[in-house]
Amino acid sequence: NAGVMQNPRHLVRRRGQEARLRCSPMKGHSHVYWYRQLPEEGLKFMVYLQKENIIDESGMPKERFSAEFPKEGPSILRIQQVVRGDSAAYFCASSPNRGRGTEAFFGQGTRLTVV
Amino acid sequence: AQTVTQSQPEMSVQEAETVTLSCTYDTSESDYYLFWYKQPPSRQMILVIRQEAYKQQNATENRFSVNFQKAAKSFSLKISDSQLGDAAMYFCAYRTNFGNEKLTFGTGTRLTIIP
Repeated sequence: NAGVMQNPRHLVRRRGQEARLRCSPMKGHSHVYWYRQLPEEGLKFMVYLQKENIIDESGMPKERFSAEFPKEGPSILRIQQVVRGDSAAYFCASSPNRGRGTEAFFGQGTRLTVV
Repeated sequence: AQTVTQSQPEMSVQEAETVTLSCTYDTSESDYYLFWYKQPPSRQMILVIRQEAYKQQNATENRFSVNFQKAAKSFSLKISDSQLGDAAMYFCAYRTNFGNEKLTFGTGTRLTIIP
């Protein structure tokens, strides 16, 4: 069973461009979480999605950021008109369900560099 | 809102010795999980150990054990017989058992193993 797959591993964008980060959860997992890690900091929660639904987006910046998890295909984190401050590592985690004892498994992250 | 504090940005230990990483947290809830994650240079987030708040017995996983003090809201990680492969960033994290299961992370401790 393959782990959580994120791609690309590294992404370079110029200011003003769009960044699309993909996350394929583990097989059988229908819950996806996105986190952002700024340099020398811990991970910060961004958004929690189930298939076709956004459950909690309290950690998402109000503008330029959006996320989706369609019925088919990977979850996408989209950043429009990127700025230098968006440079960070973005991690995806997935879990099979909710509830006591559920463990989330992390991907290896996408490092976004805005130049 | 819950907060997680790791007051040791860096720690070092001689190979084969024991080291303890500190973590404190703040919450008004009584039912939650606490975790220690390891992040090596590859950036992969690896679950090291977890503790359920309502279990009084401290969790243990091979060379890794925790000292969970619920009243003091303290959750330290002890690594025994330190090995070179233990060198990494270590993050303490909190997760409620109610509603959204997002993780709240501390800022991390960078552990160096001295040969």
